[in-house]
Amino acid sequence: LAKTTQPISMDSYEGQEVNITCSHNNIATNDYITWYQQFPSQGPRFIIQGYKTKVTNEVASLFIPADRKSSTLSLPRVSLSDTAVYYCLVVGYNQGGKLIFGQGTELSVKP
Amino acid sequence: GAVVSQHPSRVICKSGTSVKIECRSLDFQATTMFWYRQFPKQSLMLMATSNEGSKATYEQGVEKDKFLINHASLTLSTLTVTSAHPEDSSFYICSARGGTGRETQYFGPGTRLLVL
Repeated sequence: LAKTTQPISMDSYEGQEVNITCSHNNIATNDYITWYQQFPSQGPRFIIQGYKTKVTNEVASLFIPADRKSSTLSLPRVSLSDTAVYYCLVVGYNQGGKLIFGQGTELSVKP
Repeated sequence: GAVVSQHPSRVICKSGTSVKIECRSLDFQATTMFWYRQFPKQSLMLMATSNEGSKATYEQGVEKDKFLINHASLTLSTLTVTSAHPEDSSFYICSARGGTGRETQYFGPGTRLLVL
């Protein structure tokens, strides 16, 4: 499974757009990218996943360049309640869905 | 998204006792369930993968005789921490996914275990 690298922490202010970039240089052809959000003492919550180009849902957008060696999670107009740890994961298509978590990015949104 | 529940949400037990944690997929059939452990200020660590009706596959370094996993049905998996000790105190989280390929994995709310 491809290893991921993302910033340990980020700070933002309410109403701003936040972009968290994740590197996954060794991503394999059939791997896909998924992002989760975790609040303290809770299980991770699925945000978005994609294979290439751009994916958008009601919560976030995911941008994946053509070489797929990185991806960027974009959170529009964050609020205080978006303060959480965000995990970028690469999922092997033939790995039975196994998720190997890295350290994640601790996002702090300030008023 | 799909709903996964865990029971209990927190448990305190004495050293040497066994504790069972249940994980249920409430609105879908989970062909695969996973168990994770998370220590304070750390990331989730995958402990084992279980498929319905077959033996669980444990990650390296996880004692299968200490952490017994049963996936008896498509909606229920249990993790039993046998002869628990204070170092087993942690946050245990399960997840479930249905089907194969790019099926999304959904997580339970977690179980806080404190061993005295």
